[in-house]
Amino acid sequence: NAGVTQTPKFQVLKTGQSMTLQCAQDMNHNSMYWYRQDPGMGLRLIYYSASEGTTDKGEVPNGYNVSRLNKREFSLRLESAAPSQTSVYFCASTQLTGGNQPQHFGDGTRLSIL
Amino acid sequence: SQKIEQNSEALNIQEGKTATLTCNYTNYSPAYLQWYRQDPGRGPVFLLLIRENEKEKRKERLKVTFDTTLKQSLFHITASQPADSATYLCAHRDNQGGKLIFGQGTELSVKP
Repeated sequence: NAGVTQTPKFQVLKTGQSMTLQCAQDMNHNSMYWYRQDPGMGLRLIYYSASEGTTDKGEVPNGYNVSRLNKREFSLRLESAAPSQTSVYFCASTQLTGGNQPQHFGDGTRLSIL
Repeated sequence: SQKIEQNSEALNIQEGKTATLTCNYTNYSPAYLQWYRQDPGRGPVFLLLIRENEKEKRKERLKVTFDTTLKQSLFHITASQPADSATYLCAHRDNQGGKLIFGQGTELSVKP
């Protein structure tokens, strides 16, 4: 049981380049999330998808887009990367957005923008 | 806005002692709090959930308390071991969409 799988694990981009971070979960969860984690800032929500076919902005959505491809997969796209987007990106999933279910996280994508 | 704060300073303790980490929240009274562990280079892993009416919850060497008057949760690790060294995050649901809000985490280092 893989849980939440993120690809790639590491990536270096130049300013202005675009890329898509991939996330897939095999737990049949309805809700999926994208966070970024920066030193001293904790985890900040970028976008989330409460269920297949829906997406909503989180705390820091600017500069990002998402696609809920199907129930398993939720991708995060940087259209024109900026140095301020250098961060560690985590994908997470849970059965439902509300309620008290814990979130299950992938091991992150470490992204550097030069 | 809702805030959740943890001590940003690393906590260094000796093996065998009890580690106590603090989580404070403001501007909102969550119905429950969650605690996660994060190892370097890994994603957070869920440890415990405590509801507002539970006051205290235990799991093996872990104990979590929830004081709604102080707006604070304490996370204790008894008989700490070097393997307990990690960053510990607390989180609660917001009062609108049910999304989790995380503290910035406290790094714990247990020395042999």
